[in-house]
Amino acid sequence: AQSVAQPEDQVNVAEGNPLTVKCTYSVSGNPYLFWYVQYPNRGLQFLLKYITGDNLVKGSYGFEAEFNKSQTSFHLKKPSALVSDSALYFCAVRVRDNYGQNFVFGPGTRLSVLP
Amino acid sequence: DAGVIQSPRHEVTEMGQEVTLRCKPISGHDYLFWYRQTMMRGLELLIYFNNNVPIDDSGMPEDRFSAKMPNASFSNLKIQPSEPRDSAVYFCASSFLAGELFFGEGSRLTVL
Repeated sequence: AQSVAQPEDQVNVAEGNPLTVKCTYSVSGNPYLFWYVQYPNRGLQFLLKYITGDNLVKGSYGFEAEFNKSQTSFHLKKPSALVSDSALYFCAVRVRDNYGQNFVFGPGTRLSVLP
Repeated sequence: DAGVIQSPRHEVTEMGQEVTLRCKPISGHDYLFWYRQTMMRGLELLIYFNNNVPIDDSGMPEDRFSAKMPNASFSNLKIQPSEPRDSAVYFCASSFLAGELFFGEGSRLTVL
């Protein structure tokens, strides 16, 4: 079965420190991987994606993610966290199933950046 | 483009009433998804369309839920009759081909 795991429900980091939000996936074939962020009472917003090419992808708000095929991981990173980065983060993979193309989302990781 | 537009943003209704949630996808997008988000169950896919055709509705909870996409510019999700356990935030999202999803701001439904 195709799945996405985010092993941490909650990540706490001090402002100015680097942050990592972890994601691992299990899919058949080449994965299309995505990160989304959700602020309170808002819809999910696209941050970045990996389709092919360079394993390090850069996205919005200074975020980046590294695709690691051997570890089937796609961790989200930022060199210096801001309090405003506090939000719910979702990793997702686009898959081709019996019906068509679909997204599988992870359960989400709540990031708290402490001042 | 204004993005994905959902209405209403908030809906409070009583058990047994019909609820209709509406979505206008981004122009030119060929995929449309309906999701439901709750604290307990997280983000759940209800149904998705490709070129206005329902592709996978296996996530629709039961026959009380129905969704249509009569044209490329509009979709609705109906719940009839509504129940308190349907209380959630319902999101519509659209995408072009295999690209990223663009989400609306959601419709928060409260069924009393």
